[in-house]
Amino acid sequence: AQSVTQPDIHITVSEGASLELRCNYSYGATPYLFWYVQSPGQGLQLLLKYFSGDTLVQGIKGFEAEFKRSQSSFNLRKPSVHWSDAAEYFCAVGGRASNYKLTFGKGTLLTVNP
Amino acid sequence: DSGVTQTPKHLITATGQRVTLRCSPRSGDLSVYWYQQSLDQGLQFLIQYYNGEERAKGNILERFSAQQFPDLHSELNLSSLELGDSALYFCASSAINGPTENGYTFGSGTRLTVV
Repeated sequence: AQSVTQPDIHITVSEGASLELRCNYSYGATPYLFWYVQSPGQGLQLLLKYFSGDTLVQGIKGFEAEFKRSQSSFNLRKPSVHWSDAAEYFCAVGGRASNYKLTFGKGTLLTVNP
Repeated sequence: DSGVTQTPKHLITATGQRVTLRCSPRSGDLSVYWYQQSLDQGLQFLIQYYNGEERAKGNILERFSAQQFPDLHSELNLSSLELGDSALYFCASSAINGPTENGYTFGSGTRLTVV
């Protein structure tokens, strides 16, 4: 069975500070990994994804994530957070072995203090 | 606007009733995925259709059913509704059976409230 753990339910950072959101996954084959962001009342927007190749992936809005197979992790980072980054962030895993159905983590709510 | 259209945006109905949620995928996308987002369960995969055929099934209740029509829009039917079915229902689409370089594109969801 595939699963995703996002250990931090809620994180608060100051504007301009760096950010790291943790994601650990379980998947029995080569995973496809995603980070999505959801603003209140909105749908999910793709920040970045990893399918294969370079384990450091760049996404939109200045976000990046690093795939570490040995640690089954796909942590999301941003060097300097902006107030507009306040939202809920979801990590997801899927792949060919599960016919691409996505399993999401419970999400991490990010609050940004001025 | 993501290009994935879900209607209605909000729906309030009584227990025991039946509702239909509609999803129009992004132009050219053949796959439609349905997800349920609730406070206690989080985002749960329900079912996937590709070019009219069911391709994958998640923890979808027997009271729920879905289909994809020849014009590629999809409908999710929820019957004998219970209070616990109150949730945000998302539709996502993709051009192929699986994610593209753009991943999956999500609609803005239908918020269902069962009273």
